[in-house]
Amino acid sequence: QVQLVESGGGVVQPGRSPRLSCAASGFSFSNYGMHWVRQAPGKGLEWVAIISYDGSDKYYADSVKGRFTISRDNSENTLYLQMNSLRAEDTAVYYCAKEEDSYGFAFDYWGQGTLVTVSS
Amino acid sequence: EIVLTQSPATLSLSPGERATLSCRASQSVSSFLGWYQQKPGQAPRLLIYDASNRATGVPARFSGSGSGTDFTLTISSLEPEDFAVYYCQQRSGWSRTFGQGTKVEIK
Repeated sequence: QVQLVESGGGVVQPGRSPRLSCAASGFSFSNYGMHWVRQAPGKGLEWVAIISYDGSDKYYADSVKGRFTISRDNSENTLYLQMNSLRAEDTAVYYCAKEEDSYGFAFDYWGQGTLVTVSS
Repeated sequence: EIVLTQSPATLSLSPGERATLSCRASQSVSSFLGWYQQKPGQAPRLLIYDASNRATGVPARFSGSGSGTDFTLTISSLEPEDFAVYYCQQRSGWSRTFGQGTKVEIK
């Protein structure tokens, strides 16, 4: 079965640069676009970034453009989010999600999320 | 950036009642709209894709309609497990955005 498992969250000081990981299994990872979505405590969902199946195309929400970098290692079935210049407003649960082209590129599987708390 | 506005923010209903949730886009998204359900402490779950298609395993009481800028998610008869927050999401090129959510709570 499809599994997405995020890691790398925790308490981070402002300005630090953690990297989140999302380990994928149960499907052909290299065939699918992948996304990061975040949710601040008690708030709604915010799309963060997308990477194409082969890593050649990447797009970001304006709120993270220039600070966050999405990448993937298809040989390791792993998605990454490098987060630089963190701010308090980046505090959120970060989910990785798989898009499904037969579902109009909607997100058919999600990880359980990893909480990033930006605090000094 | 396309903005999605959901209404109402909160819907207070009883089990067995019909729920009608709205999502309006700031510009046309054709039929590239999905609906997700999220329960406390859980990741979102895909319900509807391309405005009106149910994802695998989604009960028939969930239905979606609309195109262009106005979309609706209908739950025909609320079951206890349907009380949750619902989000719409659009796809425009590479970009995605979510609505702010509608909470369906028990009256």
